[in-house]
Amino acid sequence: DAKTTQPTSMDCAEGRAANLPCNHSTISGNEYVYWYRQIHSQGPQYIIHGLKNNETNEMASLIITEDRKSSTLILPHATLRDTAVYYCIVSRGNQFYFGTGTSLTVIP
Amino acid sequence: GAVVSQHPSWVICKSGTSVKIECRSLDFQATTMFWYRQFPKQSLMLMATSNEGSKATYEQGVEKDKFLINHASLTLSTLTVTSAHPEDSSFYICSARNPGRALRSGANVLTFGAGSRLTVL
Repeated sequence: DAKTTQPTSMDCAEGRAANLPCNHSTISGNEYVYWYRQIHSQGPQYIIHGLKNNETNEMASLIITEDRKSSTLILPHATLRDTAVYYCIVSRGNQFYFGTGTSLTVIP
Repeated sequence: GAVVSQHPSWVICKSGTSVKIECRSLDFQATTMFWYRQFPKQSLMLMATSNEGSKATYEQGVEKDKFLINHASLTLSTLTVTSAHPEDSSFYICSARNPGRALRSGANVLTFGAGSRLTVL
């Protein structure tokens, strides 16, 4: 599975959009991009996933570049409860290998 | 829907004893489950893939005899940490493939349990 690179940490003001980037330059054609987040001492929570097209659900939007080498997770209106570690994973199978993720801190 | 439950949520044991952690898919059947370990301030590390009715597949560097995995039914996988030592203290998390989301999109969305924190004294 392709390796991902994410910034170690980011801050975001409450109420503003949080844009979390992920590089996956070695992604192959049949690999999906998944985003999960982990709030301290809990199991990872699914956010969104996509293959080629941009996706949106009740939690977030996922923007995937045309060459699929990078993506951005957008939390449109960040709240304090969105403070967590966000993981970008690319996988074609069942196994998910987690990178170091981005620690997002939402600031009041 | 698609809930994965782990038990116990936390456990403390003495060095040298064995500890069993259960992972259940509550409202769906899971032929495959996955076990992860997470040390403080580190990411999740995949330990093994648990296959219903067959042997688990372990990741490189994970001791099979140390971490026994049994997946005897379509809704239950267990991880037994044998002869636990303080260095086995960790957060153990299981996951299972979400069949509902997978069917709709073709992807393999995993649902994770809340984790089990093991402390070995």
